[in-house]
Amino acid sequence: QLVESGGDLVQPGGSLRLSCAASGFTVSGTYMSWVRQAPGKGLEWVSSISPGGETIYYADSVRGRFTISRDNAKNSLYLQMNSLRAEDTAVYYCTRLFSHWGQGALVTVSS
Amino acid sequence: EIVLTQSPGTLSLSPGERATLSCRASQTVSSSSIAWYQQRPGQAPRLLIYGSANRGTGIPDRFSGRGSGTDFTLTINSLEPEDFAVYYCQQYGSSPYTFGQGTKLEIK
Repeated sequence: QLVESGGDLVQPGGSLRLSCAASGFTVSGTYMSWVRQAPGKGLEWVSSISPGGETIYYADSVRGRFTISRDNAKNSLYLQMNSLRAEDTAVYYCTRLFSHWGQGALVTVSS
Repeated sequence: EIVLTQSPGTLSLSPGERATLSCRASQTVSSSSIAWYQQRPGQAPRLLIYGSANRGTGIPDRFSGRGSGTDFTLTINSLEPEDFAVYYCQQYGSSPYTFGQGTKLEIK
């Protein structure tokens, strides 16, 4: 099971950290990703991290502003989002191997 | 970046009919790296097909996928009421892991 938290209303230029608590498996042992969906729009892949953490990928739209990480002790995945823009407004899903998905966390960037 | 184009944008069919959804890639994609998802309103995506033709856990056998190179297809036989939703294809063979824009399957 995957449970996201941390979604909120934030002003443009602000920061937010999303968390994804996992149960039933270890985040350190599998490929984890973040995918987002703007209101009324399609799915957009955001970032992925390999099991060993040696490989991290970002979409061009978030590279340099977002950071994916995980805490093995807490069995959780994170997405640190800085310099937020209105176009980052979306529901953010964490996913294990794209086969298991959380329920999503809503991030709204607006003044 | 591999661009995935899905067609049609909207497909209107009746329960019991067969749906054929297309996903075309801008360059060759490994058939082992194509997935299909179903998304119902207000819900997270659900993995239907991975590796182009393998059904996900618990997915009914009326869902099938096929394709290679740049052309991939999702077929849903004998549509059930719960099948009317939005469907996305995705390639996860090379970063960025792009999605198609989606096909909405609606009741005729």
